[in-house]
Amino acid sequence: EVQLGESGGGLVQPGGSLRLSCAASGFTFSDYWMHWVRQIPGKGLEWVSRIKRDGSDISYVDSVKGRFTISRDNAKNTVYLQMNSLRAEDTAVYYCAKDGVGVSHDFDYWGPGTMVTVSS
Amino acid sequence: QSVLTQPPSVSAAPGQKVIISCSGSTTNIGTNYVCWYQHLPGTAPKLIIYDNDKRPSRIPDRFSGSKSGASATLGITGLQTGDEADYYCAAWDSALSAVVFGGGTKVTAL
Repeated sequence: EVQLGESGGGLVQPGGSLRLSCAASGFTFSDYWMHWVRQIPGKGLEWVSRIKRDGSDISYVDSVKGRFTISRDNAKNTVYLQMNSLRAEDTAVYYCAKDGVGVSHDFDYWGPGTMVTVSS
Repeated sequence: QSVLTQPPSVSAAPGQKVIISCSGSTTNIGTNYVCWYQHLPGTAPKLIIYDNDKRPSRIPDRFSGSKSGASATLGITGLQTGDEADYYCAAWDSALSAVVFGGGTKVTAL
């Protein structure tokens, strides 16, 4: 059974940093792109970042470029999101998601999410 | 303002059909595949349609997807109260090099 589980969320002051982790199991982790998606309270879903199977291709949404860094450790079946220079508008539930079997990026499994609150 | 445009809400009586539209552009829906997610508050989103019109095995055939040009639609037949949720379309945008989502549509069974 595929399982994804995020950790590392919490309350942080503006300008601070957090590192999110997503532990995966039930599939061959190194065979799939992995993604981070967030939902700002009361708003819709927003894709944040993606990382290729071997880490050789990475993309970000414009609003986090230069502040967030995605990485993965295929030996530990874990994907990370290092978030620096956090802003109030980064407050959201952050989900990790596994790439599906479709031609383009579709997310067939998601974690339950971890809440990140940026506030003084 | 989302890159993909969806109606904020749709509703129908139980047993009836609802259709949710998703409008994009040539750089996303027009040239790439569309997928759809069902999201209940406090839970993980669920993939219900991928590659425009394919359903994961666990998704009932009451859910269907289609695409024409730069627009896509999600259909739900035999609407059930358990289908009440937010539904999002998504696609890769070749110009932005990003996955883009619609703003979400709240489905209500009256």
